[in-house]
Amino acid sequence: DAKTTQPTSMDCAEGRAANLPCNHSTISGNEYVYWYRQIHSQGPQYIIHGLKNNETNEMASLIITEDRKSSTLILPHATLRDTAVYYCIAFDTGTASKLTFGTGTRLQVTL
Amino acid sequence: ETGVTQTPRHLVMGMTNKKSLKCEQHLGHNAMYWYKQSAKKPLELMFVYSLEERVENNSVPSRFSPECPNSSHLFLHLHTLQPEDSALYLCASSQQRSGAANFGSGTRLTVV
Repeated sequence: DAKTTQPTSMDCAEGRAANLPCNHSTISGNEYVYWYRQIHSQGPQYIIHGLKNNETNEMASLIITEDRKSSTLILPHATLRDTAVYYCIAFDTGTASKLTFGTGTRLQVTL
Repeated sequence: ETGVTQTPRHLVMGMTNKKSLKCEQHLGHNAMYWYKQSAKKPLELMFVYSLEERVENNSVPSRFSPECPNSSHLFLHLHTLQPEDSALYLCASSQQRSGAANFGSGTRLTVV
């Protein structure tokens, strides 16, 4: 599975958009980009995933660059409840690869 | 509510005890997972069951013994644990070959 690189931490003011970057320069053509978050002392929560096209759901938007070497998770109007660790994972559904979690980005949403 | 239920939520056990963690899902998923999360460390995948067959065992010590009696239930049997095994143990389920997994809230295990 491709390695992903994320900043260790980020801050965001409540009500503003939170843009969380992820670098996956060695991603293969079959690997999807998945995003999860983990609120303190809870299990991870699936947010969104994509292959090439940008994706949007009720939680977030995912922007993937044309060369697929990086992506950005966007929380359009961050709230205090969005404070969590966010994980970006490259996952190959064809080979049923493992969901391997790195250290993620700790997002702190402040008043 | 994630659809994956883990019991107990908290467990304190001595090093000579035997205990079991239970995970249950009624989402119709056919793959189940055990993860371990120690303090300040990333989640570590322990075991993967797909269609009730163990397909992954990530060099986990034999004092951890998984069991998957059917597609809805997963157990982790614990015996003669060490204090360093204290961690949050998370269960997850998904459809086979899907990266969209549902996680339980975990069992916070303390070994004394």
